[in-house]
Amino acid sequence: AQSVTQPDIHITVSEGASLELRCNYSYGATPYLFWYVQSPGQGLQLLLKYFSGDTLVQGIKGFEAEFKRSQSSFNLRKPSVHWSDAAEYFCAVASGRSGGYQKVTFGTGTKLQVIP
Amino acid sequence: DSGVTQTPKHLITATGQRVTLRCSPRSGDLSVYWYQQSLDQGLQFLIQYYNGEERAKGNILERFSAQQFPDLHSELNLSSLELGDSALYFCASSVATQETQYFGPGTRLLVL
Repeated sequence: AQSVTQPDIHITVSEGASLELRCNYSYGATPYLFWYVQSPGQGLQLLLKYFSGDTLVQGIKGFEAEFKRSQSSFNLRKPSVHWSDAAEYFCAVASGRSGGYQKVTFGTGTKLQVIP
Repeated sequence: DSGVTQTPKHLITATGQRVTLRCSPRSGDLSVYWYQQSLDQGLQFLIQYYNGEERAKGNILERFSAQQFPDLHSELNLSSLELGDSALYFCASSVATQETQYFGPGTRLLVL
């Protein structure tokens, strides 16, 4: 069964500092990997995704993530955090089969607090 | 704005009642997914439809059901509601069944 682990429930960083949010997944084949962001009271917005190819993926809002198969990780990074980045971040893994079934499993989320 | 719309935004009801949540996918998307987000369970996949047919089931209770109509909008029906059903219910859509899912703003359900 596929699973996602986000080991950090809550992270606090200073504005302008760099950020790395950790994500580890468990999946038998090559996974589809995603990072979503959820602002308070809002829906989820896709930041970036990895399906195949280049293991360093660029997303919106200056975020990037690197797929490391050997470590089963897909960590999210940003070189300089802005106060507006304060939100909850979800890593997700998806499976696909020839029958067209896609099951998405989400991690428990990491809440990011940005301090001045 | 993802292009996925959900109504209503908020819903307050009593235990034992039945409610219907509605989702309109992005234009051109054939696949619709329903998720439940609660404090104790996190974000859980409930069910997926593709072009009117059920394709996958996740942790959906028997009291819950869904359907996708010919115009591709979807409805999630929740019956015999319990306090524990209070949650944020998200709909997502994708072009096909293995493409990126785009989420709606959610319906916040409160069962009193």
